Amino acid sequence: AQKITQTQPGMFVQEKEAVTLDCTYDTSDQSYGLFWYKQPSSGEMIFLIYQGSYDEQNATEGRYSLNFQKARKSANLVISASQLGDSAMYFCAMSYLYGGSQGNLIFGKGTKLSVKP
Amino acid sequence: NAGVTQTPKFQVLKTGQSMTLQCAQDMNHNSMYWYRQDPGMGLRLIYYSASEGTTDKGEVPNGYNVSRLNKREFSLRLESAAPSQTSVYFCASSPLPGNRNYGYTFGSGTRLTVV
Repeated sequence: AQKITQTQPGMFVQEKEAVTLDCTYDTSDQSYGLFWYKQPSSGEMIFLIYQGSYDEQNATEGRYSLNFQKARKSANLVISASQLGDSAMYFCAMSYLYGGSQGNLIFGKGTKLSVKP
Repeated sequence: NAGVTQTPKFQVLKTGQSMTLQCAQDMNHNSMYWYRQDPGMGLRLIYYSASEGTTDKGEVPNGYNVSRLNKREFSLRLESAAPSQTSVYFCASSPLPGNRNYGYTFGSGTRLTVV
């Protein structure tokens, strides 16, 4: 069974500094996708970044980058130049790309990031 | 605005009452999902519909039923609400399962309290 582990329940970062949010996953499948979502206090789920298991380069989206280490089964989110608006819950998620349960997102428990001015 | 629309946004039920949470998407997505989010937990999949006419159980289906009414609409029904079903419910959709470029779009959530 898939499992997503986010070991940091909460983190603080100083404004304008970079921060890394950890995510490890457990699957024996070779074809999967990894996602990061942001959930601000207003509650909506905001898609940040996607990494496919066969992608050779780490994904980047603006200030967000995904440090993908396939052998270690880790998919850490790096936020550069933190802003006050980055304060939110961050969820790592994974999905199979093929098979009976393809497309179903499995979420970690999240990391609450607080950006200090 | 295009996206996923959930109704209602808030609901309070008494134990044993029934209700249906509605979800509609206007992006022509094939797949739709219902998740619940509890404090300290990530989102957990209740049911999903990979395509119109199909539904399948997710991780926590007990106490729920679903209907994929058409391609646009996917409803979640609580037949006899229990306090353990107090949660925030999210509906989501994606173009196709297995498509590497699928972007899941989430609704804004329904906050349900069962007393």
